[in-house]
Amino acid sequence: AQSVTQLDSHVSVSEGTPVLLRCNYSSSYSPSLFWYVQHPNKGLQLLLKYTSAATLVKGINGFEAEFKKSETSFHLTKPSAHMSDAAEYFCVVSGPTGGFKTIFGAGTRLFVKA
Amino acid sequence: GAVVSQHPSRVICKSGTSVKIECRSLDFQATTMFWYRQFPKQSLMLMATSNEGSKATYEQGVEKDKFLINHASLTLSTLTVTSAHPEDSSFYICSARDGDSNNEQFFGPGTRLTVL
Repeated sequence: AQSVTQLDSHVSVSEGTPVLLRCNYSSSYSPSLFWYVQHPNKGLQLLLKYTSAATLVKGINGFEAEFKKSETSFHLTKPSAHMSDAAEYFCVVSGPTGGFKTIFGAGTRLFVKA
Repeated sequence: GAVVSQHPSRVICKSGTSVKIECRSLDFQATTMFWYRQFPKQSLMLMATSNEGSKATYEQGVEKDKFLINHASLTLSTLTVTSAHPEDSSFYICSARDGDSNNEQFFGPGTRLTVL
């Protein structure tokens, strides 16, 4: 069985300060992990993915995430927030191959203050 | 990256009518497509998994006679909401899995359904 928990429903940061969005997962298998961003009334955009290669994954728009097996975490970070980063972020877990379901976290709404 | 399209992007219909939503993979063949439903300010909920040429697998609680899924080709899956009611109003998102992409799913832009 697999599950994913996003620890914060809302995160608010000031522009130019670091961003941390937390995600913990549970999986009976070696997981594939993803972060997606969704802007209002828009579809999902893949930020980055972990698929058992390097544990520190770099994504688009300056985001990165670190896979920590011992902590079962896959937190998303960015050194400096931009106003355009304000959106909903989803942590997603799947299995190592295409035969596994994809489970979405509840989402974290990121607010960026000027 | 691979592109998935959905049509229409928005649809408004009267209660009791049926609505068909198309999901297409534009530059790759998708042996598996997924349909999700998203309520306002909530996460995506998987409705069903559709494999080309076979019957869809529905998640628990999803009425298969209400939400008809057809995956007739490697690039097209359709979701038909039959006898739609206001409670079916939602954002429907499809995704397609590219067998060559190491388990990555590519998402469509979504379809906003409003049932009056």
